[in-house]
Amino acid sequence: EADIYQTPRYLVIGTGKKITLECSQTMGHDKMYWYQQDPGMELHLIHYSYGVNSTEKGDLSSESTVSRIRTEHFPLTLESARPSHTSQYLCASSEGIRGRSSYEQYFGPGTRLTVT
Amino acid sequence: RKEVEQDPGPFNVPEGATVAFNCTYSNSASQSFFWYRQDCRKEPKLLMSVYSSGNEDGRFTAQLNRASQYISLLIRDSKLSDSATYLCAVIFRSNDYKLSFGAGTTVTVRA
Repeated sequence: EADIYQTPRYLVIGTGKKITLECSQTMGHDKMYWYQQDPGMELHLIHYSYGVNSTEKGDLSSESTVSRIRTEHFPLTLESARPSHTSQYLCASSEGIRGRSSYEQYFGPGTRLTVT
Repeated sequence: RKEVEQDPGPFNVPEGATVAFNCTYSNSASQSFFWYRQDCRKEPKLLMSVYSSGNEDGRFTAQLNRASQYISLLIRDSKLSDSATYLCAVIFRSNDYKLSFGAGTTVTVRA
């Protein structure tokens, strides 16, 4: 079992609110990722980090921002939530050292966000 | 053309049947390949990595065909609990760690 945690698991919030989705892993993984997935649709990478103080935007443009101040923590922030942000947000991590098993990503349980 | 493509299915099979499906990728230099399983409204869980020589884990067999640029997953003796969406994932470059996911193949095993 992967030791990667996300809070909150469910969040219903009004338009215009600032929100932070938390993601933590206890595996000491260098690489961390945020994906967005709508119901029945594919995963889209929105942010990733290859280490402390390193963050990059993913393939899908997102209004969210991320930070990586500690290895184990990779929070995602939306400054002003909108109904179009309603989705499931999944955090993942990987060891990221060259080798066969190091590319495998492990996912947290996700945060289901609804913006009303 | 999408970088990673899967037949969405659904594949409806009876218990005990064998089901197999493929995932094609566009980048011939792709380095690493994986199969994930995702249950409805849950997170993806790693099912298996796919090695060049092919690999087996119980009832699941994964194969890689580099010449035709696809990976496959075969499930033998299907169980009701195998019902899920199966996602393939590919790493395209040797110095990269990002996974590109397919949209998934839905498998439904019926009693």
